[in-house]
Amino acid sequence: DTGVSQDPRHKITKRGQNVTFRCDPISEHNRLYWYRQTLGQGPEFLTYFQNEAQLEKSRLLSDRFSAERPKGSFSTLEIQRTEQGDSAMYLCASSKKRGPGSGRAGSYNEQFFGPGTRLTVL
Amino acid sequence: AQSVTQPDIHITVSEGASLELRCNYSYGATPYLFWYVQSPGQGLQLLLKYFSGDTLVQGIKGFEAEFKRSQSSFNLRKPSVHWSDAAEYFCAVGGAWFGNEKLTFGTGTRLTIIP
Repeated sequence: DTGVSQDPRHKITKRGQNVTFRCDPISEHNRLYWYRQTLGQGPEFLTYFQNEAQLEKSRLLSDRFSAERPKGSFSTLEIQRTEQGDSAMYLCASSKKRGPGSGRAGSYNEQFFGPGTRLTVL
Repeated sequence: AQSVTQPDIHITVSEGASLELRCNYSYGATPYLFWYVQSPGQGLQLLLKYFSGDTLVQGIKGFEAEFKRSQSSFNLRKPSVHWSDAAEYFCAVGGAWFGNEKLTFGTGTRLTIIP
């Protein structure tokens, strides 16, 4: 178990360029989340995958954003025509849906976070 | 909708002193509650979590938190802080809607330790 990894760790780009980030979840984790964290704020939910299916997208995810998880393993987050407001830390988290557990403690699957990709748009 | 409030943006504590970071949540049912720590440029590390049972939960690095339903609070405490505890601390609430267990975070409390 090597943890959640993200690549690149840092990305500097010019406004209007496209960027793509990659997240590799913990193996066998079937759920994957993307969050965005701007300066001075807590992370905010962007989108969620269960296996390869993208099941929910936040309103924060404009048309310029697209996320995929083609084989239910790694995921990519692409931002087209970047804007300065896209500058943020992009965090990926994964979890494993377990079978029914005993009581309430078995009904929530803990998320493990990667180190994040820091995007700076000039 | 669920929400989390961390009223203290920045706290400064002397090394060896006790610490309490405040967290208030809004959630329609019994929440799943978390405290995460984030060092500069790093991702989030889970300190502790509350799902059910004993309202006083122990975490890593000597941290503990107490769930108080009547006050909708989940405050984080440590009896004696170390310089290495300087970081950003986030309280979060989780739910489960059709499998989406997304977390809602507070705005964080930045902890500074002075010698």
